[in-house]
Amino acid sequence: DAGITQSPRHKVTETGTPVTLRCHQTENHRYMYWYRQDPGHGLRLIHYSYGVKDTDKGEVSDGYSVSRSKTEDFLLTLESATSSQTSVYFCASTPGQGNEQYFGPGTRLTVT
Amino acid sequence: AQSVTQLDSQVPVFEEAPVELRCNYSSSVSVYLFWYVQYPNQGLQLLLKYLSGSTLVESINGFEAEFNKSQTSFHLRKPSVHISDTAEYFCAVTPNDYKLSFGAGTTVTVRA
Repeated sequence: DAGITQSPRHKVTETGTPVTLRCHQTENHRYMYWYRQDPGHGLRLIHYSYGVKDTDKGEVSDGYSVSRSKTEDFLLTLESATSSQTSVYFCASTPGQGNEQYFGPGTRLTVT
Repeated sequence: AQSVTQLDSQVPVFEEAPVELRCNYSSSVSVYLFWYVQYPNQGLQLLLKYLSGSTLVESINGFEAEFNKSQTSFHLRKPSVHISDTAEYFCAVTPNDYKLSFGAGTTVTVRA
């Protein structure tokens, strides 16, 4: 299994506060992704990265930003958390085209 | 843009009975197709994938899926399920742009 970890695994925060989720992979994969999982919606792509400092938006990027300063780390930031951002967040990585994406264990975020 | 429709949100099934999970996709270009499985409180794991070649692909734990280009489908089947197959299953497609589009998921509950 690809070594992908996420931290924290659980977080409760208040509306309006900033939140940063971390994804760390040990496989030297070029591509990394952040998804959110909500009932009835499957997984939706928030942002992705195709290399260090190279990122792009996914389908639900509003209210989120990302950064990738090292190959192994991909950070997701909620600048000002809202209740609609309560969700389970998954990080994934892949070495490239045609390869599967490997998923982390998820972070459950609750915004009160 | 691609989209994925999983036609059943919930599939209850008795142990040792067969199961079929239906997945249809839309795309104007060729795609790669995947089935992922998510066990309770875990991340997603690849079950099987179709990239090219034989339209019937198999997994190591008895699942199989058939790519049907004319019907734009990639249905997942298992002839005899076990209690341990209780999970949520996601169909996903990519047009080789390194981004996956997921269906909403099908929850399979296996009963004794």
